[in-house]
Amino acid sequence: EIVLTQSPDTLSLSPGEGATLSCRASQTVSNIHLAWYQQKPGQAPRLLIYGASRRATGIPDRFSGSGSGTDFTLTISRLEPEDFAVYYCQQYGSSPPSTFGQGTRLDIK
Amino acid sequence: QVQLQESGPGLVKPSQTLSLTCTVSGGSISSGNYYWNWIRQPAGKGPEWIGRIYTDGSTNYHPSLKSRVTIALHTSKNQFSLNLRSVTAADTSVYYCARGIGSYNDYWGQGTLVTVSS
Repeated sequence: EIVLTQSPDTLSLSPGEGATLSCRASQTVSNIHLAWYQQKPGQAPRLLIYGASRRATGIPDRFSGSGSGTDFTLTISRLEPEDFAVYYCQQYGSSPPSTFGQGTRLDIK
Repeated sequence: QVQLQESGPGLVKPSQTLSLTCTVSGGSISSGNYYWNWIRQPAGKGPEWIGRIYTDGSTNYHPSLKSRVTIALHTSKNQFSLNLRSVTAADTSVYYCARGIGSYNDYWGQGTLVTVSS
């Protein structure tokens, strides 16, 4: 099973600042199998990025994904008030199981 | 616009079977290259993938749950279901159904809380 470790656990920033969230895999993950989600309290996760760097439909261009191999990054430029949430990375390789990271909470400073 | 909605009991007794249904609207579950997933999330923790079923009925399950899980398609009702047998308190979670395209999930249900307690 591939373990995804996200860092930091919590990130406290102000609106207008930039955020960098990290996701590290215990084994190599193909880029096409890495996704990022945003989750707000009481809501289901929302797909932001798939294929490591492709924005999902309707996602603002201030969200971007990058990385390869075992190290992936979600970058949010110019934080908006609605961006403060929990973010998860997910992988699904050639065989089950799909796994999620433990999440990074993005808090308003 | 595809929409998914989970339904089922919110309380299940230990050792019994947890049964949930996901109703899909806005698209057919039997067409397209989609996987239909069940994912759960314990309070305060990250999501945990349970398993998925493809449009041809083939399934994949999380190895740690494989002996207790069955996911099935019900094409005439445009639904798919989850059965989790011999539940314990550790199975208490919010359960989500989600549509998958290859490796990611683009549409999710709102989630339903299932508590395992006597």
